[in-house]
Amino acid sequence: DIQMTQSPSSLSASVGDRVTITCRASQVISNYLAWYQQKPGKVPKLLIYAASTLQSGVPSRFSGSGSGTDFTLTISSLQPEDVATYYCQKYNSAPLTFGGGTTVEIK
Amino acid sequence: EVQLLESGGGLVQPGGSLRLSCVVSGFTLTSYAMTWVRQAPGKGLEWVSSISSSGTGTYYADSVKGRFTISRDTSRNTLYLQMNSLRAEDTAVYFCARAAAVDYWGQGTLVTVSS
Repeated sequence: DIQMTQSPSSLSASVGDRVTITCRASQVISNYLAWYQQKPGKVPKLLIYAASTLQSGVPSRFSGSGSGTDFTLTISSLQPEDVATYYCQKYNSAPLTFGGGTTVEIK
Repeated sequence: EVQLLESGGGLVQPGGSLRLSCVVSGFTLTSYAMTWVRQAPGKGLEWVSSISSSGTGTYYADSVKGRFTISRDTSRNTLYLQMNSLRAEDTAVYFCARAAAVDYWGQGTLVTVSS
């Protein structure tokens, strides 16, 4: 099975900083990669699908890139409301594996 | 408006069974694949099972294969997860979710496996 590895597992950044989270698949998954945001005590929210397509209603400071095995989620200017755990997920075929998550905090 | 409402969670002894239900509205089960995702306390998201939009394809994580069964009743707009031979490590909040790249989630139902 394909493994999904996220890094870092956590980060602390200042408001306004550019934040980058990476996700690596152990095999090629084309662009079948989604990113989710989960705030404490809340249901996950889809941010990006097809590696780089922004879900409707998601702020434009979020962006995704990559294809094949290496993917990136970028927050261009970190806001206090972005404090959350972020997960990547492959969905080209079962198993629809999630990455281990990246917790983002404000410094 | 798209809505997913899970039920059926609770406390069960190891080796026991539970059936989770997810009633959906605002779309039809024949138009979307459906997925169950779980999250153990303080842990990350874990994909559990999916069913194709046609209903003919079912898929399971290795951790639940042979113990869990996903199904649906399109006439009742309901997705199910039959969970047998439950183990302590199955303790989690179980989310019903639409599609493979999940665009809508239910609120989740807590399953606790403990004696």
